[in-house]
Amino acid sequence: QQPVQSPQAVILREGEDAVINCSSSKALYSVHWYRQKHGEAPVFLMILLKGGEQKGHDKISASFNEKKQQSSLYLTASQLSYSGTYFCGTESKDRGSTLGRLYFGRGTQLTVWP
Amino acid sequence: DAGVTQSPTHLIKTRGQHVTLRCSPISGHKSVSWYQQVLGQGPQFIFQYYEKEERGRGNFPDRFSARQFPNYSSELNVNALLLGDSALYLCASSLSGGAEETQYFGPGTRLLVL
Repeated sequence: QQPVQSPQAVILREGEDAVINCSSSKALYSVHWYRQKHGEAPVFLMILLKGGEQKGHDKISASFNEKKQQSSLYLTASQLSYSGTYFCGTESKDRGSTLGRLYFGRGTQLTVWP
Repeated sequence: DAGVTQSPTHLIKTRGQHVTLRCSPISGHKSVSWYQQVLGQGPQFIFQYYEKEERGRGNFPDRFSARQFPNYSSELNVNALLLGDSALYLCASSLSGGAEETQYFGPGTRLLVL
């Protein structure tokens, strides 16, 4: 049930763009994106609920293709503060006992250099 | 407003001992979920509680147990500790634990088993 994230790691210069992908073998109900800095708790970025939904938050946006069971996180004009590990958490379409249970990928480590 | 709080922040135990971790959700949130995060991995779901009832359980042995109190705070108990239980234990709260709701993570308890 664990989603697969790619790439495993990304190194960027400030101002460059990046895309992080998340795919699942199960039908998805929602995708949750988090960023975690070393030694800290994951911080919520955004949640996507419907097929084809896109959301934006400052220069970070995401899309969710329900049909393909995939989500992508887009980081535009990256800043130093974007460095950290990005996780996607997925909720499958099998409701009931899976309600509110997130399955997380192994993360994508993003490093932004000045 | 206070976020999710967890105690203690760090803990060192020896194999075979028992540990209790505590979590207070965001005010107004009635659902608490517990996750285990091993170094280099994404968080893994352990339990979800809503209104003091267990709603879901991940693939963890019976040595792991939890409960939720009338004030919605929660405890995670782990018996007969093993070296492999060393991890960051994260608590996340949400309004009612719905699949479409954001889960907000606490700072975590870092457990080291020697």
